[in-house]
Amino acid sequence: GENVEQHPSTLSVQEGDSAVIKCTYSDSASNYFPWYKQELGKRPQLIIDIRSNVGEKKDQRIAVTLNKTAKHFSLHITETQPEDSAVYFCAASRGGGGKLIFGQGTELSVKP
Amino acid sequence: GAVVSQHPSWVICKSGTSVKIECRSLDFQATTMFWYRQFPKQSLMLMATSNEGSKATYEQGVEKDKFLINHASLTLSTLTVTSAHPEDSSFYICSASSLGFNEQYFGPGTRLTVT
Repeated sequence: GENVEQHPSTLSVQEGDSAVIKCTYSDSASNYFPWYKQELGKRPQLIIDIRSNVGEKKDQRIAVTLNKTAKHFSLHITETQPEDSAVYFCAASRGGGGKLIFGQGTELSVKP
Repeated sequence: GAVVSQHPSWVICKSGTSVKIECRSLDFQATTMFWYRQFPKQSLMLMATSNEGSKATYEQGVEKDKFLINHASLTLSTLTVTSAHPEDSSFYICSASSLGFNEQYFGPGTRLTVT
């Protein structure tokens, strides 16, 4: 069935360093790939998304890359700050408001 | 952006009782709503997808007779956990979408504790 694998499960970086989280999806019909940040007890918050007709998208310190051939997509956070500490989830969907399949999550810790 | 609310934000109930959770889209008409369950330190697991006016589609392994979903209007979906047991204690999150949207808009979640 549909599956999204996310790595690493935990990531600890020093403030100012970069963080990279990687995901692989199985459903070749997926064409929408959002990334969420979730703080403890809160709802997931969309931080960036990419559609399959685009290979890369950037928004200030956050960027996402997509390799449709390999079914990989990655989140890159540069110049990390302590407030970036949270759990990050990738997801994949066939778009059009269809169901999201989530990765397992990455707990990012940014040490001052 | 679009706003989705959930009620209640937390609930404690006794084993064997039923609990209803409401999910509302406040400023758009949600043709589709989704219900997720999230256990501590785990990912969001999709339970079911509901389209307004039709029966919900449940994911494999989710008991449809235990988790009753109703999507009676374009702004409201409800999840009823029937005969709740301690293992049903979890964080339940809804999301809503509409035709032409790629994005789903998440509610704030409901923390259910069954004692």
